[in-house]
Amino acid sequence: GEDVEQSLFLSVREGDSSVINCTYTDSSSTYLYWYKQEPGAGLQLLTYIFSNMDMKQDQRLTVLLNKKDKHLSLRIADTQTGDSAIYFCAESDSGGGADGLTFGKGTHLIIQP
Amino acid sequence: KAGVTQTPRYLIKTRGQQVTLSCSPISGHRSVSWYQQTPGQGLQFLFEYFSETQRNKGNFPGRFSGRQFSNSRSEMNVSTLELGDSALYLCASSFGAGGPNEQFFGPGTRLTVL
Repeated sequence: GEDVEQSLFLSVREGDSSVINCTYTDSSSTYLYWYKQEPGAGLQLLTYIFSNMDMKQDQRLTVLLNKKDKHLSLRIADTQTGDSAIYFCAESDSGGGADGLTFGKGTHLIIQP
Repeated sequence: KAGVTQTPRYLIKTRGQQVTLSCSPISGHRSVSWYQQTPGQGLQFLFEYFSETQRNKGNFPGRFSGRQFSNSRSEMNVSTLELGDSALYLCASSFGAGGPNEQFFGPGTRLTVL
């Protein structure tokens, strides 16, 4: 079945860049997503990338996709204390919403002062 | 524009009871998806509704069911509750037709089964 893997924790210093990595197994993944979850809250969509793209940049966020290795990463530039959260990688086979998202277990981003 | 709302936010039930959770999507969104989030299993897809029809279902027992109304609001029902059903239940809405599956999540309903 489909599987999405992420490391559980990442610790970075405030002001440094954070790089959160994700691998997936489903070669038919069409869209890949990054979500953020703060304590006690639902998930917030940060960004997504279409499978025929290599990179997408949105302000402090850069998404890199290596489709051959099925590897996705999220880089957060100039990490701030407000970035402390759990980050989830997710994939879907198709657009349109009919198929549910398959999520990784999430990476806890810890910011050191 | 109002976000996705879920009611109630917290719920405590006992084993064997049944429960109904409600979700109101963002105005104009016709797709509603439900997810279960637990520390052990993470986020798992339950089902998705579009225009009152279930289009897809995850790997959950038949005790988990849902429906969608003509105004796109959705409910999910869990019958004969088990301790393992304790979880955060998240609802997400999207336009649901073509393009990326940009789902917007509600704050969730925290269900505790005693």
